[in-house]
Amino acid sequence: DTGVSQDPRHKITKRGQNVTFRCDPISEHNRLYWYRQTLGQGPEFLTYFQNEAQLEKSRLLSDRFSAERPKGSFSTLEIQRTEQGDSAMYLCASSPMGTGGGEQYFGPGTRLTVT
Amino acid sequence: GDSVTQMEGPVTLSEEAFLTINCTYTATGYPSLFWYVQYPGEGLQLLLKATKADDKGSNKGFEATYRKETTSFHLEKGSVQVSDSAVYFCALSVRSNDYKLSFGAGTTVTVRA
Repeated sequence: DTGVSQDPRHKITKRGQNVTFRCDPISEHNRLYWYRQTLGQGPEFLTYFQNEAQLEKSRLLSDRFSAERPKGSFSTLEIQRTEQGDSAMYLCASSPMGTGGGEQYFGPGTRLTVT
Repeated sequence: GDSVTQMEGPVTLSEEAFLTINCTYTATGYPSLFWYVQYPGEGLQLLLKATKADDKGSNKGFEATYRKETTSFHLEKGSVQVSDSAVYFCALSVRSNDYKLSFGAGTTVTVRA
């Protein structure tokens, strides 16, 4: 049973650099969500996909952020021109569409540190 | 909008003590309610859920009952172990909001031997 995986687990980058994270959801799950978690806080919604379509983006997602899910499989989240305020844990979750409970299954996260 | 308020921590307990973490919510429509647990350095794991009023979710000795009249979903465990040390998040999702999860701020629980 393969769960949600994320790569890399940790990323240290200098301010102004671009970074890209990858998420591989549970294979039969149609929906894929990205969240951001800062220290001492609960995760906050960033964006989500149903299959390959990106259906919503949070106001938290500035134009430096872009996400894709080609072919409705894995997803990437790119941050351009990183800022120190982007330092956080980026979490990916997947969910089967139509589930009555709406539960989501999370990956281990990518911890980004911008120096 | 939808929101979750949970008891602030940190909470420190001795092994075999009783644990309660309070959670209340505000939501439009009928939310599903969840407790997630996060161990150090890891992602979130679904601990339990309840999808309608008076449902009781349970897992690994933890329980929570969906109380619509008090808009609450308090987490309880009768006898905690050191391995229960973690951060616990209460969360909700609503179908009309495409099941996006809204989380509380988390409660850090430390259990001492």
